[in-house]
Amino acid sequence: GQQVMQIPQYQHVQEGEDFTTYCNSSTTLSNIQWYKQRPGGHPVFLIQLVKSGEVKKQKRLTFQFGEAKKNSSLHITATQTTDVGTYFCAGFGSSGAGSYQLTFGKGTKLSVIP
Amino acid sequence: DAGVTQSPTHLIKTRGQQVTLRCSPKSGHDTVSWYQQALGQGPQFIFQYYEEEERQRGNFPDRFSGHQFPNYSSELNVNALLLGDSALYLCASSLAPGLALYNEQFFGPGTRLTVL
Repeated sequence: GQQVMQIPQYQHVQEGEDFTTYCNSSTTLSNIQWYKQRPGGHPVFLIQLVKSGEVKKQKRLTFQFGEAKKNSSLHITATQTTDVGTYFCAGFGSSGAGSYQLTFGKGTKLSVIP
Repeated sequence: DAGVTQSPTHLIKTRGQQVTLRCSPKSGHDTVSWYQQALGQGPQFIFQYYEEEERQRGNFPDRFSGHQFPNYSSELNVNALLLGDSALYLCASSLAPGLALYNEQFFGPGTRLTVL
């Protein structure tokens, strides 16, 4: 079945440093979504990428979707303490036998040292 | 505008018991998906309901079943509980039936289930 791998698992950065998390799918995706989950909270939608090679920006966050639609990345410039949380990618694609589902990566837990 | 609500917030059960979790979608949403999130892991898709029918299902055994009501609210039932069923159960609502997983999903706060 479809697998989505995300690295790194953990990242500790000094406030002001940049941060990047990478996501790779075992199969070609129809689209990819990114979510942020604060400690003790629930996932909150950040963005969706649909087109091959797509790049989207939200203030200090830059999201990319690979040309083959099998990988994606999230880059945060000049991290702030408010960026703390776990960032998940979720790929939408076929899980076999005509079934489609959203498959989440294991997430990257970001800690920001003030 | 109420977001996605779930009840109860916490639940403790023993092995072999049965549990029912409830979800009310965000106002205006008609599609509900359920996820299981084990500690330190990403959410795993259980199934999705639209028009009171299960439309998509992840790799979960038949012990996991659900229901959607005419008002779009949904229930997740788990029978014959195992220790490994301990997790945070998340409900997410969205629009666009059939392509719902293409759209932004709004997650509820979750139900923390502990199986002893």
